[in-house]
Amino acid sequence: NAGVMQNPRHLVRRRGQEARLRCSPMKGHSHVYWYRQLPEEGLKFMVYLQKENIIDESGMPKERFSAEFPKEGPSILRIQQVVRGDSAAYFCASSPRDRGWEQYFGPGTRLTVT
Amino acid sequence: AQKVTQAQTEISVVEKEDVTLDCVYETRDTTYYLFWYKQPPSGELVFLIRRNSFDEQNEISGRYSWNFQKSTSSVNFTITASQVVDSAVYFCALSEWGGATNKLIFGTGTLLAVQP
Repeated sequence: NAGVMQNPRHLVRRRGQEARLRCSPMKGHSHVYWYRQLPEEGLKFMVYLQKENIIDESGMPKERFSAEFPKEGPSILRIQQVVRGDSAAYFCASSPRDRGWEQYFGPGTRLTVT
Repeated sequence: AQKVTQAQTEISVVEKEDVTLDCVYETRDTTYYLFWYKQPPSGELVFLIRRNSFDEQNEISGRYSWNFQKSTSSVNFTITASQVVDSAVYFCALSEWGGATNKLIFGTGTLLAVQP
């Protein structure tokens, strides 16, 4: 059973460009969580999605950030007009429908904004 | 509001020493989960242990042990006979149980350096 997949593993963007981060949950998992780890800090919750629904986006910055988890395909975290402060590691986790506390983390995407 | 505090930012030990990582949490929930994760220099998150708030039994798993004190809202993690490969950042995390969201609240981590 493949684990949580994230791609790309490393992403470099210039200021003002868009960044798209992808997360494929474990097989059978219908819930996805995104977390951000700024340099030298712990992970901070961003958003929790189920298929075609955003359940909790209380940790998402109000502007430029969006997330989706379509019926088919991976979950996407999209950052528009990136700024240097967006440089961070972005982790995705997935869980089974009935065990939300059982989160399995992907390897992360390291975003660098130049 | 939920909060996790790891007061130790860095710990350095010599190989084979025992080391205890401290974690204190705050929550209004009566039921919750507590977790420890390890983040080695390669950057991935490695799950170590998960316990629910009903289970206050201390646990030993190989060189790892866990001391959960609900009365003081603390959950400490001990590595016995540390090894260089244990060098990593260790995160404590908290999650509500059965709520609308199971987001994890992480502490800021403790950097453990095990010297040969």
